[in-house]
Amino acid sequence: AQSVTQLDSHVSVSEGTPVLLRCNYSSSYSPSLFWYVQHPNKGLQLLLKYTSAATLVKGINGFEAEFKKSETSFHLTKPSAHMSDAAEYFCVVRLKGGFKTIFGAGTRLFVKA
Amino acid sequence: DTAVSQTPKYLVTQMGNDKSIKCEQNLGHDTMYWYKQDSKKFLKIMFSYNNKELIINETVPNRFSPKSPDKAHLNLHINSLELGDSAVYFCASSPLQGAAYEQYFGPGTRLTVT
Repeated sequence: AQSVTQLDSHVSVSEGTPVLLRCNYSSSYSPSLFWYVQHPNKGLQLLLKYTSAATLVKGINGFEAEFKKSETSFHLTKPSAHMSDAAEYFCVVRLKGGFKTIFGAGTRLFVKA
Repeated sequence: DTAVSQTPKYLVTQMGNDKSIKCEQNLGHDTMYWYKQDSKKFLKIMFSYNNKELIINETVPNRFSPKSPDKAHLNLHINSLELGDSAVYFCASSPLQGAAYEQYFGPGTRLTVT
């Protein structure tokens, strides 16, 4: 069965320090992988996506993620956190056909001044 | 311009009522979706629809039905509302139905059933 596991429900960092949000997936097929961000009381915004091209994907706002097939991981990183990065982050797997869209449980990122 | 819009933003209603949530996208996308986000922020896909095909998540009660008057709109009708229907509902769209295409989400509709 296909699944997405976000390994941390909460991550807290200080402003200016690196961010690492972890995501592991399980899929019988080659998936497309996405990271979305949701600010409080807002809709979801796409940060980046992987669709079988380059394994290191750069997204908006300085975020990037690396697809590692051997580890079935797609961790999200940012070199230096900003206060405005505080939000909920979702790792998403989309499987062939597109309807099979599976969201991770989310990781809440806190950024301390 | 808002790419994916939903109305209303908030909806408070009583058990047993029937309600609708409207969704419009101005991106020219072929495929639209409805998602439910529960109180623990967990998101689950409910429907996927393009002009040829409606795909329904088998776990969604048949009290929920999507209706698409045209390619730019996908409304969600809910009959006989129950307490457990309280959630935030998101509409989304994507250029095509394939897995490689990202989805663009609306701002959400917070439904509260009392």
